[in-house]
Amino acid sequence: DGGITQSPKYLFRKEGQNVTLSCEQNLNHDAMYWYRQDPGQGLRLIYYSQIVNDFQKGDIAEGYSVSREKKESFPLTVTSAQKNPTAFYLCASSPPRGQWGYTFGSGTRLTVV
Amino acid sequence: GEDVEQSLFLSVREGDSSVINCTYTDSSSTYLYWYKQEPGAGLQLLTYIFSNMDMKQDQRLTVLLNKKDKHLSLRIADTQTGDSAIYFCAERTNSGNTPLVFGKGTRLSVIA
Repeated sequence: DGGITQSPKYLFRKEGQNVTLSCEQNLNHDAMYWYRQDPGQGLRLIYYSQIVNDFQKGDIAEGYSVSREKKESFPLTVTSAQKNPTAFYLCASSPPRGQWGYTFGSGTRLTVV
Repeated sequence: GEDVEQSLFLSVREGDSSVINCTYTDSSSTYLYWYKQEPGAGLQLLTYIFSNMDMKQDQRLTVLLNKKDKHLSLRIADTQTGDSAIYFCAERTNSGNTPLVFGKGTRLSVIA
């Protein structure tokens, strides 16, 4: 079955460490997105990529980095420069145009300990 | 810039209808979406409507679009406890491949 997989589901990080969240899709979608969700804040866009080897900053890119070396994969690194990284992170993918909207992964909850 | 507004909370009794409202600002919106998020999960696409439509019905879900007032609503008939979740409204604008703009979500609580 086609879908989008995020791993791990729960992640704990010590302060000062970088950590990478995985996002893989087998939907043959061109575009992929990373969102951060905090209680009462809705979804905030971190980075997005519309084609391989290209990506754009979203509204809250500071302290995060991404790569898009393969169409299927869009990993997100939360760096030590991100001051408040504890949150729920959601990855999504979509065809380039049309009515289909986004397909979301099941999320990764990151906790800084 | 684009903005999508939703009320944050809604509480209804089981068996009643729920109406979740959304307003948006970009008149070039092409598609508007409703997503459902259950606790600890990702967002699930419930339905969408093209901007030249006024209404779309899908089983218990009815979407109404008032393009003049830039108002979108989602009606859930015969609301069940399993409908308790956060509902997000989102718009796709006509501005090339810009990302969807999401509202902050409405938390629906269904009281048995």
